[in-house]
Amino acid sequence: QKEVEQNSGPLSVPEGAIASLNCTYSDRGSQSFFWYRQYSGKSPELIMFIYSNGDKEDGRFTAQLNKASQYVSLLIRDSQPSDSATYLCAPRGDYKLSFGAGTTVTVRA
Amino acid sequence: EAGVTQSPTHLIKTRGQQATLRCSPISGHTSVYWYQQALGLGLQFLLWYDEGEERNRGNFPPRFSGRQFPNYSSELNVNALELEDSALYLCASSRPLTLTGELFFGEGSRLTVL
Repeated sequence: QKEVEQNSGPLSVPEGAIASLNCTYSDRGSQSFFWYRQYSGKSPELIMFIYSNGDKEDGRFTAQLNKASQYVSLLIRDSQPSDSATYLCAPRGDYKLSFGAGTTVTVRA
Repeated sequence: EAGVTQSPTHLIKTRGQQATLRCSPISGHTSVYWYQQALGLGLQFLLWYDEGEERNRGNFPPRFSGRQFPNYSSELNVNALELEDSALYLCASSRPLTLTGELFFGEGSRLTVL
């Protein structure tokens, strides 16, 4: 089993729609969870982090965490063309921050 | 405040040679992480340094090594280069252990092995 698994992409959504990204992780010791966005040819940038069960909202982004199910998700509401990128899920354990392979999102105008 | 800086931006080597990549963390950050991102693949964890010590390493052969200097900068060395080492190498830094522990990435060093 991979340490971090993300729903396979690419994910294509129309402008204004909701993009839903999912991630499961294997390390039960993971304490905090990050979503990074990586534009093509650029380095990853942090967009959300969450460490408590439940939902966390930041603008058009909502992260949802369920530690019992080892599941974290990211919703992008009112998707914009500028949201087109690869989104990386990254649970943090004691000794490292592992990244999923990423889900590439394309927002169609 | 300056971000994480990496050098060189691009590096071309031939098989069997050695490559050295450098990273300067954000001021005040004591942890440095190295990741490999091969074309079309995710970020693979290589090494984590904190306060000058290697804290963890990923599933890479010993020819991947590095160190962290007293000023918290770091270098990654790759010996006996192989073609499959061609990738983008990303360095990231983080503050001393915090609740969130988010990483801040540099722009990367692209290594091409011919």
